[in-house]
Amino acid sequence: EIVLTQSPDTLSLSPGEGATLSCRASQSDTRSSLAWYQQKPGQAPRLLIYGASTRATGIPDRFRGSESGTDFTLTITTLEPEDFAVYFCQLYGASLTFGGGTKVQIK
Amino acid sequence: QVQLQESGPGLVKPSETLSLTCDVSGYSINTGYCWVWIRQSPGKGLEWIGSVYKTGSTYYSPSFRGRVSISVDTSTNQFSLRLTSVTAADTAVYYCSRATMGMENRQIVPFYFDVWGQGALVTVSS
Repeated sequence: EIVLTQSPDTLSLSPGEGATLSCRASQSDTRSSLAWYQQKPGQAPRLLIYGASTRATGIPDRFRGSESGTDFTLTITTLEPEDFAVYFCQLYGASLTFGGGTKVQIK
Repeated sequence: QVQLQESGPGLVKPSETLSLTCDVSGYSINTGYCWVWIRQSPGKGLEWIGSVYKTGSTYYSPSFRGRVSISVDTSTNQFSLRLTSVTAADTAVYYCSRATMGMENRQIVPFYFDVWGQGALVTVSS
């Protein structure tokens, strides 16, 4: 079973700064891809990115996904006040699993 | 606009069966997609439980296989979750969701989740 490890656990930043979130798969799987979700307190997750780098409908272009081998990255180019939340990555395809999440909080 | 809404008892006794229903509006289950249950324990991460396709074909997480049953009713546009022999560890917010899908080893499997219900908190306690 592939394990997804997200880092850091918490990111403390100010509005206007950029954020880089990491999601690493324990092994390579060419039959799988990755999605990213945002979750705010008391709400369901919201799909941000699928196929590692394709933004979901209505997602602003400050959210960017990329991949390099077993390493996946979510970049938020300029943090808006509404971006402070928890972010999860999810592998799908041959395997289906979630990462443990990264909390982006206001510094 | 596609909307999903979970319903069911918020309190279940240990060893009993947890049952939830997801009502889908704004989209016909018969049209396509996979329909999925996901849970999130308090303060913890997300855990995929299983999925069902409009034909009734199911695909379950190995973590729940043997305890879980997911069914679909296309006439009422609903799908349901049953989880047997629950313990306190099954206390969580349960989400229903719509998923894009693909084929893996001749099975219909969910990919990523594009629409979610608001979630239903289920507490397992005597």
